[in-house]
Amino acid sequence: GQQVMQIPQYQHVQEGEDFTTYCNSSTTLSNIQWYKQRPGGHPVFLIQLVKSGEVKKQKRLTFQFGEAKKNSSLHITATQTTDVGTYFCADDNYGQNFVFGPGTRLSVLP
Amino acid sequence: NAGVTQTPKFQVLKTGQSMTLQCAQDMNHEYMSWYRQDPGMGLRLIHYSVGAGITDQGEVPNGYNVSRSTTEDFPLRLLSAAPSQTSVYFCASSTQWTPKVSPLHFGNGTRLTVT
Repeated sequence: GQQVMQIPQYQHVQEGEDFTTYCNSSTTLSNIQWYKQRPGGHPVFLIQLVKSGEVKKQKRLTFQFGEAKKNSSLHITATQTTDVGTYFCADDNYGQNFVFGPGTRLSVLP
Repeated sequence: NAGVTQTPKFQVLKTGQSMTLQCAQDMNHEYMSWYRQDPGMGLRLIHYSVGAGITDQGEVPNGYNVSRSTTEDFPLRLLSAAPSQTSVYFCASSTQWTPKVSPLHFGNGTRLTVT
C-alpha cells in the first residue's frame, strides 16, 4: 500500500530559529494536507495543497508541494513556544482514504 | 456545533474483555474513520466508511469491527481486548471526497489501556 514518510522524526530548536519538516512518497501524491497535534490533543487541520508546485503561507508557516507531487514541506520561520507539537502530513490517496506520515515532533526551547 | 464526539475519554480493560468505542458527528459528513496512535507510529487507519452501510478495512483492522447504520454514528468494537491494543484511538470525519478534498475533523480521542 501507499506509504508516506516524514523527516525528521524529532527536532529541537531554540526559540526564534527556523524549522522545516519534509513529507515524501515513492508514488505520486494526490492531495496533501498538513495537521498539527499539540501534546495531549488531537490533530488539527492546517492547510491543504492540491496543485503541483503550490506554495501557501499562513503567517510564519510556509507550505510547499513538489513539482512532481512526490514531496511536500512545512517551514516555520522564527519558531515560538506555541509552535510545539507534532506535525503530520496526510495524503487523501485519490479519495480512498487518508494516509498519514509518522509525524515530526517539534520542541522549542525558550 | 459539537463536531466529532468520542466516548469514553479513558478506558481500562482486562485481556479478553470486549467493548465499544463510540463516535458521533453532527456535520452530516459522509466519510468517517478510526485511527490508532502509538508512540513513534503516527496515525494508523483501522477502518473507514464512505457512507451509511459501507465500511472498509484500513491498515490495521485485525481485532476490530465497525458498522455504519447511520450517517452520524461510527462505533468501533474490540472483540477480545489484547495488550497490543493499548493505544489512543481517534475518530475522524470529512465531507465526501471530491477533487477538492475537505479536511478531517478529529474527536478528542479515547485513551485505552488493556492489562
